[in-house]
Amino acid sequence: KQEVTQIPAALSVPEGENLVLNCSFTDSAIYNLQWFRQDPGKGLTSLLLIQSSQREQTSGRLNASLDKSSGRSTLYIAASQPGDSATYLCAVDNQGGKLIFGQGTELSVKP
Amino acid sequence: GAVVSQHPSWVICKSGTSVKIECRSLDFQATTMFWYRQFPKQSLMLMATSNEGSKATYEQGVEKDKFLINHASLTLSTLTVTSAHPEDSSFYICSAYPLDRVMNTEAFFGQGTRLTVV
Repeated sequence: KQEVTQIPAALSVPEGENLVLNCSFTDSAIYNLQWFRQDPGKGLTSLLLIQSSQREQTSGRLNASLDKSSGRSTLYIAASQPGDSATYLCAVDNQGGKLIFGQGTELSVKP
Repeated sequence: GAVVSQHPSWVICKSGTSVKIECRSLDFQATTMFWYRQFPKQSLMLMATSNEGSKATYEQGVEKDKFLINHASLTLSTLTVTSAHPEDSSFYICSAYPLDRVMNTEAFFGQGTRLTVV
């Protein structure tokens, strides 16, 4: 059974810092891994999708890497801003669209 | 990008009543939609897979008679929480993929529905 773990559970940083969020999964037979952002009480915003054959994806200040063999992914956020404050979720798809989510990392960026 | 609309965004109901939540794909067709549930401070957990024109498939531990799913068209899936109780209070959210998706496209999520049963 696939299990997804995210560390840390919460993170508070001053504005401008670069930071890394971690995600690990137990079953490496995945189609893809996705990173989402969730604001309090809101739905999900898709940030990046990495296919199983890819090593990384970049979008603006965000860079996500994938090491399928070791079951790890990282989300790198450069030059963090207060507007980046949210919960970040990673999810793996290893069964045709069904996503298994981690518990999330709650990020707070202080001005 | 593709848009999935979920309605209502929040609802308060009395214990014992039923609540219907709609999930619509606005600019694409979807044969399959997924329903997730998120309790406070927890992650999203898949409840069921909604299949157009056929029965939904439920994850282990999810009561199919309590959470009725109907996927009558290629753009609409509904989740009905029957005889709701306070422990059903949660955040419910749906996702969908375009009918013509190739493998490995991103999932599109609705805005979610906050259900509070009093």
